[in-house]
Amino acid sequence: ETGVTQSPTHLIKTRGQQVTLRCSSQSGHNTVSWYQQALGQGPQFIFQYYREEENGRGNFPPRFSGLQFPNYSSELNVNALELDDSALYLCATSRLAGAPKKYFGPGTRLTVL
Amino acid sequence: QQQVKQSPQSLIVQKGGISIINCAYENTAFDYFPWYQQFPGKGPALLIAIRPDVSEKKEGRFTISFNKSAKQFSLHIMDSQPGDSATYFCAASIFGETSGSRLTFGEGTQLTVNP
Repeated sequence: ETGVTQSPTHLIKTRGQQVTLRCSSQSGHNTVSWYQQALGQGPQFIFQYYREEENGRGNFPPRFSGLQFPNYSSELNVNALELDDSALYLCATSRLAGAPKKYFGPGTRLTVL
Repeated sequence: QQQVKQSPQSLIVQKGGISIINCAYENTAFDYFPWYQQFPGKGPALLIAIRPDVSEKKEGRFTISFNKSAKQFSLHIMDSQPGDSATYFCAASIFGETSGSRLTFGEGTQLTVNP
C-alpha cells in the first residue's frame, strides 16, 4: 500500500455536470500526476503538477484541469462531463518531477450517466 | 498512436509454472521501463523496473528481460502462485525538461494462475 489517498472512492454524475476529484500525496513527494483508466485499458496520462504548476499534459481537452496546493495535495476538475469520461481516475505521486518511480493511489471510479 | 504494445491480452498458467508477458516500444527516447500489478478495485502497484543500459533485472520471483536493439522487454514470473492473479501493465517513461516524467502504459495482461 502506498501513502497516496484519493477521494471520493466512487462518484456518479450526469452528462454536462462538473466534478472535482482529490488526491493526497505520499509523504516527501512533491509531484502529482493524474491518469485516466478506461475499463479494460491501461492508464492514460492526463497531466502532472510540480510546485503548484502544470508541467506536462497528455492528449486531453482543456475541460480537464487541475490544481496543486502548497502541501502537495491535488485536485482534478472535469467540466461538461461526457459519457466517455466514465473511468477510473488515478493519482500518482513521485519525489521529483523527473523521478520515474510513480506511486499510485486506489483511484476514484467516475460514472457519467 | 500506441507507443507501447503488450501481449498477450490474457494468460492462464498453472500453479508453479512460468508466466511470460511481452512488451514492445517504439520511442527510443524512453529511459525507464516499469511493470505494474493491479488487482480489481485497486490502483497499479510498482512491481519491478529496469533501465535500458541493463539487459536483465531480477527481484525474487520476478525478472525483467530487456532487448534494446529489438525494442522489447518482458516480465517473467517464476513459480507462479494463485495470489499472482491480477492485471499486469508494462510501461515506459521519458523525461522531458518541460514535461517531467510521464508513463506510457501498455494495454494490460490479465493473468490467471490456477491452483
